Amino acid sequence: NAGVMQNPRHLVRRRGQEARLRCSPMKGHSHVYWYRQLPEEGLKFMVYLQKENIIDESGMPKERFSAEFPKEGPSILRIQQVVRGDSAAYFCASSPTIGQGDNNSPLHFGNGTRLTVT
Amino acid sequence: AQSVAQPEDQVNVAEGNPLTVKCTYSVSGNPYLFWYVQYPNRGLQFLLKYITGDNLVKGSYGFEAEFNKSQTSFHLKKPSALVSDSALYFCAVTPGNSGYSTLTFGKGTMLLVSP
Repeated sequence: NAGVMQNPRHLVRRRGQEARLRCSPMKGHSHVYWYRQLPEEGLKFMVYLQKENIIDESGMPKERFSAEFPKEGPSILRIQQVVRGDSAAYFCASSPTIGQGDNNSPLHFGNGTRLTVT
Repeated sequence: AQSVAQPEDQVNVAEGNPLTVKCTYSVSGNPYLFWYVQYPNRGLQFLLKYITGDNLVKGSYGFEAEFNKSQTSFHLKKPSALVSDSALYFCAVTPGNSGYSTLTFGKGTMLLVSP
């Protein structure tokens, strides 16, 4: 059973370009979370999605950032017109059930996408 | 809003010695508490969790953590450290029994185990 798959592992973009980060959850998982890790900081929650629904996007910047989790295919985190401050590691996590405190579903994380904006 | 504090940026310990990585939290209601470990250029791996029940929780790789409600702490421990335990450790909390919720992570503590 493959784990959470994120691609690309490393992404370099120039200021003003678009970045697309992909996440395929573990098989059987229908809940996806995106987190951002900045240098010297912990992980910050960005968005929580279920298939075709955004459940909580309270951690997403209001502009330039969007996320989707279509019925078919991976979840996509999209950053438009990237700026240097967007440089970070972006982690996707998945769980099979609602909630992160459920006895049976700690979050399973991917290896992340490291975005560098030049 | 919930929060997690990991007061030490780095913990140094010699191999074979016991280790403790500290974590305190703030959350409304009963907490669900987690420890994750991150190796270089990797994602976070789940170590252990406290949901309810026994305050001493045992997890992967010989790690354990003790939930202390009065001190709002959830320190990670291991009786005998290994060099391979060197990594970045994150404590996380979410309110329990509130349906879905999102994990709030501490800033992480780098554990360095010397041979």
